[in-house]
Amino acid sequence: GQQVMQIPQYQHVQEGEDFTTYCNSSTTLSNIQWYKQRPGGHPVFLIQLVKSGEVKKQKRLTFQFGEAKKNSSLHITATQTTDVGTYFCAGPKMIKAAGNKLTFGGGTRVLVKP
Amino acid sequence: DAGVIQSPRHEVTEMGQEVTLRCKPISGHDYLFWYRQTMMRGLELLIYFNNNVPIDDSGMPEDRFSAKMPNASFSTLKIQPSEPRDSAVYFCASSLARQTYEQYFGPGTRLTVT
Repeated sequence: GQQVMQIPQYQHVQEGEDFTTYCNSSTTLSNIQWYKQRPGGHPVFLIQLVKSGEVKKQKRLTFQFGEAKKNSSLHITATQTTDVGTYFCAGPKMIKAAGNKLTFGGGTRVLVKP
Repeated sequence: DAGVIQSPRHEVTEMGQEVTLRCKPISGHDYLFWYRQTMMRGLELLIYFNNNVPIDDSGMPEDRFSAKMPNASFSTLKIQPSEPRDSAVYFCASSLARQTYEQYFGPGTRLTVT
């Protein structure tokens, strides 16, 4: 079945530094979504990428969808303590019958050192 | 607009007891998902509904778990009998049938089975 993997599992970042987390799917995706879950909170939708090679920015966050639509990355610049949390990527199954079902990656847990 | 509502927020029960978790999706959303989150297994999809009909329950761990959606504004996840290994955070999420597939998560129910 479809698998979505994220690396690294944990990311310790010094405040002010940049980092990138990666998402890889075993199958081609129609789109990729990113969610953020703060400690003790619930996943919150951040963004969706649809087109091959698409790049979107949200302030200090840059999201990219691979040319083959099987991988994605999230790059955060000048990390702040507010960036603490777990970042998940998720992709829908290509099978129409799967409807809106998403397969979530294992997440990258980001810890920021002040 | 109210988001996805879940109750209770916390549940502590003894092994062998029946547990019922409740969810009210966002009004107008036609997909509803139940997830379980643990440190060991991450975010797992248990079951999802489309227009109140169960579409995929392959993630339900075993027969002790059951889910219903009697109408568009209410769903339950029941565990009977509960076991300590069921301890987790259970999230309900809803989405709208369109291309974007983004899901809106509720605050979750933290279940502890002693």
